[in-house]
Amino acid sequence: DAGVIQSPRHEVTEMGQEVTLRCKPISGHDYLFWYRQTMMRGLELLIYFNNNVPIDDSGMPEDRFSAKMPNASFSTLKIQPSEPRDSAVYFCATSWGTAGGSDTQYFGPGTRLTVL
Amino acid sequence: AQTVTQSQPEMSVQEAETVTLSCTYDTSESDYYLFWYKQPPSRQMILVIRQEAYKQQNATENRFSVNFQKAAKSFSLKISDSQLGDAAMYFCAYLQDFGNEKLTFGTGTRLTIIP
Repeated sequence: DAGVIQSPRHEVTEMGQEVTLRCKPISGHDYLFWYRQTMMRGLELLIYFNNNVPIDDSGMPEDRFSAKMPNASFSTLKIQPSEPRDSAVYFCATSWGTAGGSDTQYFGPGTRLTVL
Repeated sequence: AQTVTQSQPEMSVQEAETVTLSCTYDTSESDYYLFWYKQPPSRQMILVIRQEAYKQQNATENRFSVNFQKAAKSFSLKISDSQLGDAAMYFCAYLQDFGNEKLTFGTGTRLTIIP
């Protein structure tokens, strides 16, 4: 299995520009999570999906952030407009479902976003 | 709310020696999962080991093993025969079973391997 695939690996953009981060989950995984990691705040859960449906977006910092999962093989996290404080590493993670919910989360390599 | 505490911001160990990283957690639940993730300089989050709370037997993966003390809410990671490639940030994480999918992370322990 190829694991969780994220693109791009690095993104440098200017303030005010739109940024789109992409994730391809491990085949068969029912859950998809988007995280943000910064030195100050550590790892933060932004949003997660179950069977392509957004379940909890309470971690999304502002309306400038949006996430979609149009099918089981693809998800996007969009920031519009971007700001320097959005600079961070963004991870996508996926897991299979169990009778009790989700299980072990497997992480993608992350996207390092720099907003100038 | 569940919390995960890693009280050792940094640890170091001589190559080939054994090191133990500490983790404690707070929960009122009886069914949950615990994990250790490794984050090397490449920043990839790599699963090291997984423990189900209902299992009394401690999980083991090659040189990595845990000491799971459910009553004490303690979940330490032992790395035997440390190798240079083990140098990384190590995060302890908690996942509740049944209904809450949020993975709660500790603040991490940076492990340095001394050649």
